[in-house]
Amino acid sequence: DAGVIQSPRHEVTEMGQEVTLRCKPISGHNSLFWYRQTMMRGLELLIYFNNNVPIDDSGMPEDRFSAKMPNASFSTLKIQPSEPRDSAVYFCASSPPGTLYEQYFGPGTRLTVT
Amino acid sequence: GENVEQHPSTLSVQEGDSAVIKCTYSDSASNYFPWYKQELGKRPQLIIDIRSNVGEKKDQRIAVTLNKTAKHFSLHITETQPEDSAVYFCAANSNSGGSNYKLTFGKGTLLTVNP
Repeated sequence: DAGVIQSPRHEVTEMGQEVTLRCKPISGHNSLFWYRQTMMRGLELLIYFNNNVPIDDSGMPEDRFSAKMPNASFSTLKIQPSEPRDSAVYFCASSPPGTLYEQYFGPGTRLTVT
Repeated sequence: GENVEQHPSTLSVQEGDSAVIKCTYSDSASNYFPWYKQELGKRPQLIIDIRSNVGEKKDQRIAVTLNKTAKHFSLHITETQPEDSAVYFCAANSNSGGSNYKLTFGKGTLLTVNP
């Protein structure tokens, strides 16, 4: 089992540029979560999907952030335009059906916006 | 929404001693309480969880206790080892969008085990 896969692992970009983060959940998992981790705010849920449908996006900071899950094996988190305050580690996690909430995290993408 | 408070923020113990981390939550409907361990530069990893129908769960050197009346739960690590050094996060689930899958995390506890 390859676990949750995220790409890229590191991203450095300039303010104003578009950033796309990618996630492949564990095969068979039907829930997917995007988190952001910073020293100041800790681990925050941005959005989560169940069976490819967005269930709760109330954690998405603003309209510059968007997320999609076109199929059960792929999701993207896009920031356009990016700002220095978006610098953080972004984690994707997935959860299998019927297990009641157990979430398995990917390795994360460290984003730096200069 | 759910609010999870975690204490202490840092904890330093000697190898072999026990470590206890405590969390409180606000949503009385929460029924799932996981603990994650995050080593420096790594992903959070689920180490143990407890559901509201039990008061205690143990797995080798780690145990969790839950007091639903008081809305608090704790992580206990016995016979600590240097490899236990990491940041530990507690979390509680809450209803969001009609499901209970949303986890709210505490701010974390940096545990240092000194050899």
